[in-house]
Amino acid sequence: NAGVMQNPRHLVRRRGQEARLRCSPMKGHSHVYWYRQLPEEGLKFMVYLQKENIIDESGMPKERFSAEFPKEGPSILRIQQVVRGDSAAYFCASSPSRGMNTEAFFGQGTRLTVV
Amino acid sequence: DQQVKQNSPSLSVQEGRISILNCDYTNSMFDYFLWYKKYPAEGPTFLISISSIKDKNEDGRFTVFLNKSAKHLSLHIVPSQPGDSAVYFCAASAGYFGNEKLTFGTGTRLTIIP
Repeated sequence: NAGVMQNPRHLVRRRGQEARLRCSPMKGHSHVYWYRQLPEEGLKFMVYLQKENIIDESGMPKERFSAEFPKEGPSILRIQQVVRGDSAAYFCASSPSRGMNTEAFFGQGTRLTVV
Repeated sequence: DQQVKQNSPSLSVQEGRISILNCDYTNSMFDYFLWYKKYPAEGPTFLISISSIKDKNEDGRFTVFLNKSAKHLSLHIVPSQPGDSAVYFCAASAGYFGNEKLTFGTGTRLTIIP
């Protein structure tokens, strides 16, 4: 049973470009969570999605950031017009039911570098 | 506003001894607490959790203690092993349907000295 798969592992973008981060949850998991870790900080909640629904996006910046989890395919975190401050590690987690309980697992993360 | 604080950025412990990692929180609505372990270039791995109705939870070498009045929790690892060297994050959530939104501390880097 494959774990949570995130790709790419590393992504370099120039300022103003778009970044697309993908997350394939574990098999049987329909709940996905995105967290961001800035350098020297803890992980910060961004968004919680179920299939085709955004449940809680209270941690998402108001502009340039969006997330989706379509019926088919991976969850996508999209950052438009990236700026240097978007450089961070972005982690996705999935669980079979609501909540980051013992059955929730994180992926290895995507490290975004904006140059 | 850092609602979950891990005031020790790093800790070194001799192999075989006890490692104690500390975490303080300020939000009295938090009622579920978790510890995660993270190796470089990997995602966090769940270690152990505790609900606010308990003051202790044990799983093998790992024990978490919760002191609600002091808003403090600690993770004890005994005996410490070289494979325990990693960054440890404390996390907290509020409410049964709130624990998809974890608030993390900044982490403590634990180094086990052989």
